[in-house]
Amino acid sequence: NAGVTQTPKFRVLKTGQSMTLLCAQDMNHEYMYWYRQDPGMGLRLIHYSVGEGTTAKGEVPDGYNVSRLKKQNFLLGLESAAPSQTSVYFCASSPHQRHQPQHFGDGTRLSIL
Amino acid sequence: AQTVTQSQPEMSVQEAETVTLSCTYDTSESNYYLFWYKQPPSRQMILVIRQEAYKQQNATENRFSVNFQKAAKSFSLKISDSQLGDTAMYFCAFMKHVVWGGSEKLVFGKGTKLTVNP
Repeated sequence: NAGVTQTPKFRVLKTGQSMTLLCAQDMNHEYMYWYRQDPGMGLRLIHYSVGEGTTAKGEVPDGYNVSRLKKQNFLLGLESAAPSQTSVYFCASSPHQRHQPQHFGDGTRLSIL
Repeated sequence: AQTVTQSQPEMSVQEAETVTLSCTYDTSESNYYLFWYKQPPSRQMILVIRQEAYKQQNATENRFSVNFQKAAKSFSLKISDSQLGDTAMYFCAFMKHVVWGGSEKLVFGKGTKLTVNP
């Protein structure tokens, strides 16, 4: 069972570079989420999607964009990376049944130099 | 806005003993859901237990149980017969009840690092 797969697992960028993180889930879940995890801060929601073609801002959306063109994929983009975006990024998904636990990917460690 | 507080940044316990991790939350909602997630050194986020606020009975899952005190807005996790594999970060999380089409966002605490010693 693949579950939620994040690509890549590690990446180092230079300030100003752009990149896209890919999240793919094979559980036919309606809802998908992007979080960032910083030391001592827990997980904070960046953006989320309640269905194909829809996205919305979370708690810390600035500097990020997302797209959900296909139900199984949720992309997180950094247009111009900044050192403050150095973090571990987690993708999660959950089914449309109400208030069920979210299933998480293994995370992407991103360093911005 | 909801907030979740985990007042114990780090804890340790001897193997086979029992440990309780604290979590309090602040909300004006009457119906909501609470979760404990475990994050071992492998970094994977693993669901430990889920509690529905409208249920008075405390959730249990094998060696893991919660003490849910709705009036006190407290949701502690008890781990019995601790094992070395329980060593991990533990996160408490809150989800408010939403109507159809709304987002079921999780609000996380900052985590408690638990070490189980042999």
